[in-house]
Amino acid sequence: QSVLTQPPSVSGAPGQRVTISCTGSSSNIGAGYDVHWYQQLPGTAPKLLMYGNTHRPSGVSDRFSGSKSGTSASLAITGLQAEDEADYYCQSYDSSLSGYVFGPGTKVTVL
Amino acid sequence: EVQLVESGGGLVQPGGSLRLSCVVSGFTFTSYAMSWVRQAPGTGLEWVSAISGSGGSAQYADSVKGRFTISRDSSQSTLYLQMNSLRAEDTAVYYCARKYDSSGYYDYWGQGTLVTVSS
Repeated sequence: QSVLTQPPSVSGAPGQRVTISCTGSSSNIGAGYDVHWYQQLPGTAPKLLMYGNTHRPSGVSDRFSGSKSGTSASLAITGLQAEDEADYYCQSYDSSLSGYVFGPGTKVTVL
Repeated sequence: EVQLVESGGGLVQPGGSLRLSCVVSGFTFTSYAMSWVRQAPGTGLEWVSAISGSGGSAQYADSVKGRFTISRDSSQSTLYLQMNSLRAEDTAVYYCARKYDSSGYYDYWGQGTLVTVSS
């Protein structure tokens, strides 16, 4: 069981906006630790999608945006495209565990 | 170009040992902390272990503490994971990843190596 929770799946039609939540607690996100997001396409290694809550690495589409508030963070995808079908994971640090933690992942389906 | 290439995975019996390697190139190895992250079949990512750039400090997930040892050889630009007392639940693809800074995100990942623990 991860200390970060994410919805198992979200879906949307092409062009729509979807959001993925990542909920933690006072020992991780609520303690001020940054949240990062990864995209994993089928059969491939994870790819950094968002770092430091709101920052996109070079080359990542501006259709992706991140936010953080309190003990939660969110990843939004606007203008949903077929190529966005993937698993998305949030990640942070947990002081109680003294280690890094990933959320369970959210599968995004484009209808 | 930054590259991370894992090797050493394979089939091992429960209770056995295996050593994974991750050869890196394209950056100054000692300037970055490194980690191992695993993914069991059909499941999500699990952080396993991390080591500082100097190799002087290491952290482990509770699930592997006392059984796995992370290390690095700067002369070979190689990260290692020594896995002992392996269990069926250690079956996973193991990724090495570069930790960018104290913020703790992983900006480069290897392609992964599969470890299967089964009799």
